[in-house]
Amino acid sequence: DAGVIQSPRHEVTEMGQEVTLRCKPISGHNSLFWYRQTMMRGLELLIYFNNNVPIDDSGMPEDRFSAKMPNASFSTLKIQPSEPRDSAVYFCASSSTIGGDSGNTIYFGEGSWLTVV
Amino acid sequence: GNSVTQMEGPVTLSEEAFLTINCTYTATGYPSLFWYVQYPGEGLQLLLKATKADDKGSNKGFEATYRKETTSFHLEKGSVQVSDSAVYFCAPLGTDSSYKLIFGSGTRLLVRP
Repeated sequence: DAGVIQSPRHEVTEMGQEVTLRCKPISGHNSLFWYRQTMMRGLELLIYFNNNVPIDDSGMPEDRFSAKMPNASFSTLKIQPSEPRDSAVYFCASSSTIGGDSGNTIYFGEGSWLTVV
Repeated sequence: GNSVTQMEGPVTLSEEAFLTINCTYTATGYPSLFWYVQYPGEGLQLLLKATKADDKGSNKGFEATYRKETTSFHLEKGSVQVSDSAVYFCAPLGTDSSYKLIFGSGTRLLVRP
């Protein structure tokens, strides 16, 4: 089975441009997470969805960030307008359930490496 | 909410040395505990996990035991290899309404030949 698939793997964009990161979770998983990793702040949870519904977006840094999950197999994280401080690695992750077996494992994609110049 | 404290890195060892990376956590209820590993330029991979007290997770020679009394989940390996050089993250998964992994700062391991 394919793992979590993210695109693009690498993106370099100019400040002010819109950036859209995409994620396809593992088939059958109903929880999806977006994390951001930087040297200064480590791994931060931005938002997570359960059954396509945003459950907790308290980690989204500001209004320039938005995330959607229109169906069970696709999610986007959008930054508009982008700024140099948004440069980071953005990870998407998925797992099978929320509220059930607490031993469920969260699987990560390989990340989208974003540089805003 | 959950939180986790890992030992400061980097940890530098010679090949075949014994490894311990300490991890302690605070959490509501009895969380599942995970160790993830991140190799240079890659994403996070699950290394091992434990779902209840006294469980031992193991994989690739690494082990960690869920110690409820000390709220710890220390990672150990008897003989490290150069290929184990990576960043290791400890993370509890809560059993409350916030079903999310909260990661520690990570511990960088460098193994020298």
